[in-house]
Amino acid sequence: QVQLVQSGAEVKKPGSSVKVSCKASGDTFSSTYSIAWVRQAPGQGLEWMGGFIPIFGVANYAQDFQGRATITADKSTTTVYMELSSLRSEDTAVYYCARGLGIGVGVLHYMDVWGKGTSVTVSS
Amino acid sequence: EIVLTQSPGTLSLSPGERATLSCRASQSVSANFLAWYQQKPGQAPRLLIYGASSRATGIPDTFSGSGSGTDFTLTISRLEPEDFAVYFCQQYGSSPLTFGGGTKVEMK
Repeated sequence: QVQLVQSGAEVKKPGSSVKVSCKASGDTFSSTYSIAWVRQAPGQGLEWMGGFIPIFGVANYAQDFQGRATITADKSTTTVYMELSSLRSEDTAVYYCARGLGIGVGVLHYMDVWGKGTSVTVSS
Repeated sequence: EIVLTQSPGTLSLSPGERATLSCRASQSVSANFLAWYQQKPGQAPRLLIYGASSRATGIPDTFSGSGSGTDFTLTISRLEPEDFAVYFCQQYGSSPLTFGGGTKVEMK
């Protein structure tokens, strides 16, 4: 049974950075899956931030997060990390990692397994 | 970027009734790469439908997806109490991946 276990809630000051982890079980790192990062501001919809392709070790970002988000991975622990810098109050949200699945290798995937989410609060 | 517009914003129905949710794309979704998710308060989204009409593992056949191009529909043939939730569509045919704003199905 594939599981994605995320790190705990964070409270950060404006201008700082946050790094959220997502540990994947199963064969996620050895197959053609991706790991997507999706966030949800309070009472709002879902926003794709970017995705990581474990088999290639590369990430792809939404334009809104290019230069501010960094997605990396540690293959030895099958953990994917999402770091968001220059935090502002609008970054207050629940951040989800999710396993991406679809035709071919890449980030153009739907998400079939989700982590429980990590709450990030940005407040002075 | 493909913008997905979901309607209605809220659907007020009773258990046993049929729910029809719409998702309209600003341009054609490549290969009908459209998914639907259900989200309950305090929980992560749950995949229901992918490829516009394929049910995910473990999803009951009361849920069905249809449509192509720019117009897609999620139908819940007979609402159970646990189906009252928010539903999102998502396109994965082009980058960036985008989600619709959601439809809340609430109990009348």
